[in-house]
Amino acid sequence: GAVVSQHPSWVICKSGTSVKIECRSLDFQATTMFWYRQFPKQSLMLMATSNEGSKATYEQGVEKDKFLINHASLTLSTLTVTSAHPEDSSFYICSAIGVAGHQETQYFGPGTRLLVL
Amino acid sequence: GEDVEQSLFLSVREGDSSVINCTYTDSSSTYLYWYKQEPGAGLQLLTYIFSNMDMKQDQRLTVLLNKKDKHLSLRIADTQTGDSAIYFCAGSRISSGSARQLTFGSGTQLTVLP
Repeated sequence: GAVVSQHPSWVICKSGTSVKIECRSLDFQATTMFWYRQFPKQSLMLMATSNEGSKATYEQGVEKDKFLINHASLTLSTLTVTSAHPEDSSFYICSAIGVAGHQETQYFGPGTRLLVL
Repeated sequence: GEDVEQSLFLSVREGDSSVINCTYTDSSSTYLYWYKQEPGAGLQLLTYIFSNMDMKQDQRLTVLLNKKDKHLSLRIADTQTGDSAIYFCAGSRISSGSARQLTFGSGTQLTVLP
């Protein structure tokens, strides 16, 4: 089946540094990818929709200058958390839309756990 | 926008059936999904149901959809300890980019007791 990978799986960084998270669709092309954030014991909250070759669409309340998204190819989207602070510590999950038969399905990556000290 | 609600916790004994419930508000959701999340991991799609269906069965999983009440349920037969996880229901809508966006419920923590 379709596989989505994320790298790194976890990262610890100092406050004020920037962190880049990669999301790849491994055996299919994805024109659309989504970035979610999940705080402990909570549900997934959509941060932004990433479209290949165009600017990302951010959900209300998500700072586009802080969470930079680049979808440079049909198999790769990156999320950069700029000037990270402890409150940015979270579990970041990407997903990519793939088509199996005539069914469009979202496939999720394994997530990246970010801890900002 | 879509609002999806679930009960937070469910405990069952191994071998019993589990029923996880979900209610949603957006009647235009065309697909409704059930995802499983194990500790520290991403989401695994378990099953989905199209809005014109009432029931879908897939091995140990049975999904029931009551469109009138906007109620979705997931039944797991013969629940095993490996089924312990958080289960999310999600509804889909078409985003501005014509791609499906998912709105997730809060998740139900299923604990299977030996």
